[in-house]
Amino acid sequence: GQQVMQIPQYQHVQEGEDFTTYCNSSTTLSNIQWYKQRPGGHPVFLIQLVKSGEVKKQKRLTFQFGEAKKNSSLHITATQTTDVGTYFCAGALDMRFGAGTRLTVKP
Amino acid sequence: EPEVTQTPSHQVTQMGQEVILRCVPISNHLYFYWYRQILGQKVEFLVSFYNNEISEKSEIFDDQFSVERPDGSNFTLKIRSTKLEDSAMYFCAIRSKDTQYFGPGTRLTVL
Repeated sequence: GQQVMQIPQYQHVQEGEDFTTYCNSSTTLSNIQWYKQRPGGHPVFLIQLVKSGEVKKQKRLTFQFGEAKKNSSLHITATQTTDVGTYFCAGALDMRFGAGTRLTVKP
Repeated sequence: EPEVTQTPSHQVTQMGQEVILRCVPISNHLYFYWYRQILGQKVEFLVSFYNNEISEKSEIFDDQFSVERPDGSNFTLKIRSTKLEDSAMYFCAIRSKDTQYFGPGTRLTVL
């Protein structure tokens, strides 16, 4: 079955540093979605990428979808304490979630 | 953003008991999902439900689990005989325009 791998599992950064999480699928994805889950909260939809090579930006967040539609990344520029949480990617074919990257930010 | 509520927010039950978790979307939707998240772990897909039928289910969704939409509005997940390892957060999600919106979850504790 489809496997969605996500790395790193944890990332601890100093406030102001950049952060990147990577998502890799064993199969081609029709699209990919990114979610953020704050501690104690529920997953909140961030964005969906559909096209090969697509890049989308939301303020300090940049999302990329690989040319082969098998990998994706989320990059946060100049992290803030409000960025704390776990970031999940999900392969949209059957909504299999990656294990997530837990981001902590030291002020 | 579509609003999804879940009840109860926390359910404590004895092992072997049946539990029913409820999901109530504010507006009509055809696509529903149930996920679970064991504490500190990833979100795991359980089942998707489209037009009053199961469209897909994972290996986790065995005969102990069932879903239904009894009154055309509420969407329920039933666990027939709970096990200790069923303790987790259970999230309901609805699909709207290729986006999933999650409910706040029900924390199930099996003793």
